[in-house]
Amino acid sequence: GAVVSQHPSWVICKSGTSVKIECRSLDFQATTMFWYRQFPKQSLMLMATSNEGSKATYEQGVEKDKFLINHASLTLSTLTVTSAHPEDSSFYICSARLGQEVGEQYFGPGTRLTVT
Amino acid sequence: GQNIDQPTEMTATEGAIVQINCTYQTSGFNGLFWYQQHAGEAPTFLSYNVLDGLEEKGRFSSFLSRSKGYSYLLLKELQMKDSASYLCAVLDSNYQLIWGAGTKLIIKP
Repeated sequence: GAVVSQHPSWVICKSGTSVKIECRSLDFQATTMFWYRQFPKQSLMLMATSNEGSKATYEQGVEKDKFLINHASLTLSTLTVTSAHPEDSSFYICSARLGQEVGEQYFGPGTRLTVT
Repeated sequence: GQNIDQPTEMTATEGAIVQINCTYQTSGFNGLFWYQQHAGEAPTFLSYNVLDGLEEKGRFSSFLSRSKGYSYLLLKELQMKDSASYLCAVLDSNYQLIWGAGTKLIIKP
């Protein structure tokens, strides 16, 4: 089956620093990758959609200058949280999709970010 | 606007059957998904329905009625490990997933 990995699994950083989260599709090429954020006891919230080689499309209310997304290859997308604040503490999950018409998304295991 | 509704929480007994309902109103429809999510983990795929009817997969079945904007997930022979949140999500006309808030299922012995 399709496998998506994320690194790191969890990270603790100080307020004001930046954190990079990697999302990799291990055994398939993902034309589209999605970044989600999930706060405790809430559903997934889509942050942005990224297609390889093009700029990410951000959802309304998500600051593109704060959450930098780079989809440099068909197997790697990165999310950088810049100038992190405690309110950015959350569970960040990426998912990858094979093609435009394939509905199923394959999720990474998630990254738990805690900003102190 | 786009909206997906599912109950916030349900409780069931080990060995029993439970049905989790989901109603949706979206701009276009390209299929409905059910995902299972254990606390602190990412969602895992359970089912995908794009045509009306019932899809059975082991202990889990999923039903879809497009005319009614309605789906349910049926879990049989409940096990303690089935305690999790169950997320309903619809693929809209732009092939974007619209997520419900999830149903927390509590299994009691």
